[in-house]
Amino acid sequence: ETGVTQTPRHLVMGMTNKKSLKCEQHLGHNAMYWYKQSAKKPLELMFVYNFKEQTENNSVPSRFSPECPNSSHLFLHLHTLQPEDSALYLCASSQGDGSYEQYFGPGTRLTVT
Amino acid sequence: AQKITQTQPGMFVQEKEAVTLDCTYDTSDQSYGLFWYKQPSSGEMIFLIYQGSYDEQNATEGRYSLNFQKARKSANLVISASQLGDSAMYFCAMREGQETSYDKVIFGPGTSLSVIP
Repeated sequence: ETGVTQTPRHLVMGMTNKKSLKCEQHLGHNAMYWYKQSAKKPLELMFVYNFKEQTENNSVPSRFSPECPNSSHLFLHLHTLQPEDSALYLCASSQGDGSYEQYFGPGTRLTVT
Repeated sequence: AQKITQTQPGMFVQEKEAVTLDCTYDTSDQSYGLFWYKQPSSGEMIFLIYQGSYDEQNATEGRYSLNFQKARKSANLVISASQLGDSAMYFCAMREGQETSYDKVIFGPGTSLSVIP
């Protein structure tokens, strides 16, 4: 079974739509992350949840709203996005005890029209 | 200021040859970690290798080795005996300090590696 899963894999939405990205990890990790990967830009950390508490918000616009109901699930709620928000959104998890390795999901390719 | 620099946007290597992907970093911390990840066209980031700043020996994982030169702040990835499946984007990344219990990692811009049959 894949360690970190993400759904949907592809999403096309209009600027007035509301949608949610889902991430689930089956590794027993305590920390979960959202990253944004745009073309020709380095991977950008968006949010970090550690033991279900948000510990990082890297100046992300409020049209992106994360939710972490438990240590295994992470959501990214999207509303009134802009075309420049089109990107690959990657979820990752790690042990959260200072150990070093992050495990990534396959990503959701988001296109905003 | 950019903390992770990868100066090679694209690289080509002949199958079965070795290739070195460059990475330099900038930090004032004494304790930090360096990573390499591989991203195939499918999109998933795959962890390859890790080097801690206090590790005296260069990290190795199968065909991957990390050439860690602390004084030069470089952490080059060496892939030996390249295979067609190695064609992918490769990202160098750094975790600074150990003050947090989670991992705040900064990624470089990546190098696209193409293995030629």
